[in-house]
Amino acid sequence: SYELTQPPSVTVSPGQTARITCSGDALPKQYAYWYQQKPGQAPVLIIYKDSGRPSGIPERFSGSSSGTTVTLTVSGVQAEDEADYYCQSADSSRTSLLFGGGTKLTVL
Amino acid sequence: QVQLVESGGGLVKPGGSLRLSCAASKFTFSDYYMSWIRQAPGRGLEWVSYISSGSTYTNYADSVKGRFTISRDNAKNSLYLQMNSLRAEDTAVYYCARTIHSDPYYFDSWGQGTLVTVSS
Repeated sequence: SYELTQPPSVTVSPGQTARITCSGDALPKQYAYWYQQKPGQAPVLIIYKDSGRPSGIPERFSGSSSGTTVTLTVSGVQAEDEADYYCQSADSSRTSLLFGGGTKLTVL
Repeated sequence: QVQLVESGGGLVKPGGSLRLSCAASKFTFSDYYMSWIRQAPGRGLEWVSYISSGSTYTNYADSVKGRFTISRDNAKNSLYLQMNSLRAEDTAVYYCARTIHSDPYYFDSWGQGTLVTVSS
């Protein structure tokens, strides 16, 4: 079955740049989305259509796409950015929506 | 500010049934697709089902197909998930989410979730 693959964890120091990748064979043909989820809270959409940023989302969050990989970049990471991040897209037939396994961003 | 409030979760025995509800406010509910997404304890997100704005189209994850039914009542601004033949692996927090009819669909607003526990 089709999957979106993310690294389980990424660790950065405050002020550094964090990059979280999401890989999937169908990604060259359809958009990906990113969600942030802090402990005990519901997910929040932070990137839409590969690189769009909803209103209210800080500019330090950006998205990009290249081939079968999409990347979420957090520039100038802050302690409050520590959270789980999930990419989302669909399978190649667009009948099933799916999420990557999630990446825990740790700010040390 | 979109508001989505889930209810109806609880403890149910394997093989039992449960009906979840999601009350929507502060947006025109009848204009939007809606979805259910779940998250097992300590695990990632799993899309469960979506329904079109007028209830014409529905779709389900293979893991729940034939057991779960999504529905909505636009007059009551409410979304539902009827869950039958529940299994231990259905234990999760269930979120309702406003769904943007894009390519592919995505979720721009989420409720706080309701916990479903399937255990004997």
